[in-house]
Amino acid sequence: DGGITQSPKYLFRKEGQNVTLSCEQNLNHDAMYWYRQDPGQGLRLIYYSQIVNDFQKGDIAEGYSVSREKKESFPLTVTSAQKNPTAFYLCASSKPGQNEKLFFGSGTQLSVL
Amino acid sequence: EDKVVQSPLSLVVHEGDTVTLNCSYEVTNFRSLLWYKQEKKAPTFLFMLTSSGIEKKSGRLSSILDKKELFSILNITATQTGDSAVYLCAVHSTGGTSYGKLTFGQGTILTVHP
Repeated sequence: DGGITQSPKYLFRKEGQNVTLSCEQNLNHDAMYWYRQDPGQGLRLIYYSQIVNDFQKGDIAEGYSVSREKKESFPLTVTSAQKNPTAFYLCASSKPGQNEKLFFGSGTQLSVL
Repeated sequence: EDKVVQSPLSLVVHEGDTVTLNCSYEVTNFRSLLWYKQEKKAPTFLFMLTSSGIEKKSGRLSSILDKKELFSILNITATQTGDSAVYLCAVHSTGGTSYGKLTFGQGTILTVHP
């Protein structure tokens, strides 16, 4: 079955540590996105990529970095510069011309030790 | 700044009840409004609305958009425990980029008791 796979489901970060969240899709979608979900708040866009080797900052990119070396993969690194990283992170993709209709992964819950 | 507000934030009902979830918005260069259902973890697409007054239906779920008053409602009739989820409203606007911009509301947590 086609879909988006995020790993790990749960991740713990120590102070000063960088951590990387994995996102893989086999839907053959060009566009991929990373969102952050906090309780009581809407999903907020961190980074997006419309095509391989290209990505743009979203609304809350500070403290995060991404790469898009392959169409199928869009990993997110939460750096030590992100002072409040505890959140639920969702990866998504979309078909060409349908950027609003997102297909989501099952998310990664990141917590700080 | 684009804004999407959902109400109520949470709702508890019993099986068989009918519920109405609300979504109001203020955005520049509106393109469409979308509803997603988030069960457990992964949100899944329900509806996309672009025109006022045209109801979208899927089984017991229906939704309608009012572009004059800037809101949408999602109705669920004869609720079942499987309808328990977070319902997300999002508005797609031009946003000045090729991607456009998707602004999400806070979500409504629906709990359906047997």
